[in-house]
Amino acid sequence: GAVVSQHPSRVICKSGTSVKIECRSLDFQATTMFWYRQFPKQSLMLMATSNEGSKATYEQGVEKDKFLINHASLTLSTLTVTSAHPEDSSFYICSARVQSTQYFGPGTRLTVL
Amino acid sequence: GENVEQHPSTLSVQEGDSAVIKCTYSDSASNYFPWYKQELGKGPQLIIDIRSNVGEKKDQRIAVTLNKTAKHFSLHITETQPEDSAVYFCAASSKGGGADGLTFGKGTHLIIQP
Repeated sequence: GAVVSQHPSRVICKSGTSVKIECRSLDFQATTMFWYRQFPKQSLMLMATSNEGSKATYEQGVEKDKFLINHASLTLSTLTVTSAHPEDSSFYICSARVQSTQYFGPGTRLTVL
Repeated sequence: GENVEQHPSTLSVQEGDSAVIKCTYSDSASNYFPWYKQELGKGPQLIIDIRSNVGEKKDQRIAVTLNKTAKHFSLHITETQPEDSAVYFCAASSKGGGADGLTFGKGTHLIIQP
């Protein structure tokens, strides 16, 4: 149980385009999901908290207009990186909360050329 | 906000020996402390967690201890095996039960020497 999936696993895009990443809880419902970013050989940094049916809460320094989050159902949250630039290249990981425990997805490797 | 320090950044041990990774946290209100194992190119996998109402928790070869007074917690892996090689992250939640996003340590690269 408590399986979280992400799609796509890898994406390469040109600078200026937008990319959507999906995070799904496969065998449970999650009212709260989280989005993290991880640069090479670094730790995970929380970007935002995604709440079903309401606006996401962004961490300080994270541009909400650049990283659009939609949590339209209890099993799906999406992160859209708008007008992506090379500095947005990173490993994006979502997690879903089950009671008091967070389970992570496998991550999405974004490369912006 | 919460700040989590993790040591060491790299740990190399002989197969069969024990490994200990230590973390400290700054927010005395934190009461949930999970440990994750991350293999290259994959998402973090929860291996054990502890809440502030207990001082120790064990699951087979893995144990975690918590000292709330000193604000530090440790991961202990006994009888290490090659498949234990990975990056390990400690984390803390500044509000109860993981209701908020986690603050992670910088990670420990554990290398098991055959």
